[in-house]
Amino acid sequence: SQQGEEDPQALSIQEGENATMNCSYKTSINNLQWYRQNSGRGLVHLILIRSNEREKHSGRLRVTLDTSKKSSSLLITASRAADTASYFCATYSGGYQKVTFGTGTKLQVIP
Amino acid sequence: EAGVAQSPRYKIIEKRQSVAFWCNPISGHATLYWYQQILGQGPKLLIQFQNNGVVDDSQLPKDRFSAERLKGVDSTLKIQPAKLEDSAVYLCASSLWGQGANGNTIYFGEGSWLTVV
Repeated sequence: SQQGEEDPQALSIQEGENATMNCSYKTSINNLQWYRQNSGRGLVHLILIRSNEREKHSGRLRVTLDTSKKSSSLLITASRAADTASYFCATYSGGYQKVTFGTGTKLQVIP
Repeated sequence: EAGVAQSPRYKIIEKRQSVAFWCNPISGHATLYWYQQILGQGPKLLIQFQNNGVVDDSQLPKDRFSAERLKGVDSTLKIQPAKLEDSAVYLCASSLWGQGANGNTIYFGEGSWLTVV
């Protein structure tokens, strides 16, 4: 079963605009990570946020985490055509770090 | 550093046939994962190994799927007999250590694309 649900399912923006994706999950977590997947490729890790953190930055990425609402958001600022991909949140839980992925947001950045 | 290697990249089989996928994780990674990703969906965990022991196989359809990790390194995932709904990408991934709250990054292979006709 999917732990996370991403919203929106698909997003189309112009180059230079910001893109925001949201992830909601169901059970308590140790931490949450965001991954990116280009069409036909494997997933690539973007950023991690721990359960005791509220916000994290990495380059043009900003992630927030609200454990009371069981939700996270990923903001990509000043988007580029190369950011076109699917983005997944992944929750880590349990002693053996079970990793469960959400349903994904498909982002299209139009040049 | 070599990444996670998977083979074959593509496989087309008829229903009721069998297929096997191979994975070689990043050297030194104790945790190995197999995920199934159906087109348009997120990856679903099939099985997680810690060294050569299984720590989670709750979503593995054990009547037709099997997986092993020999000597805690390479792993194979087998499907027998295949069904049409098994058409998906099978992703192998590995991480340094799966226990605790360190949130070790998972590194993915490129995937093995299976089409069952």
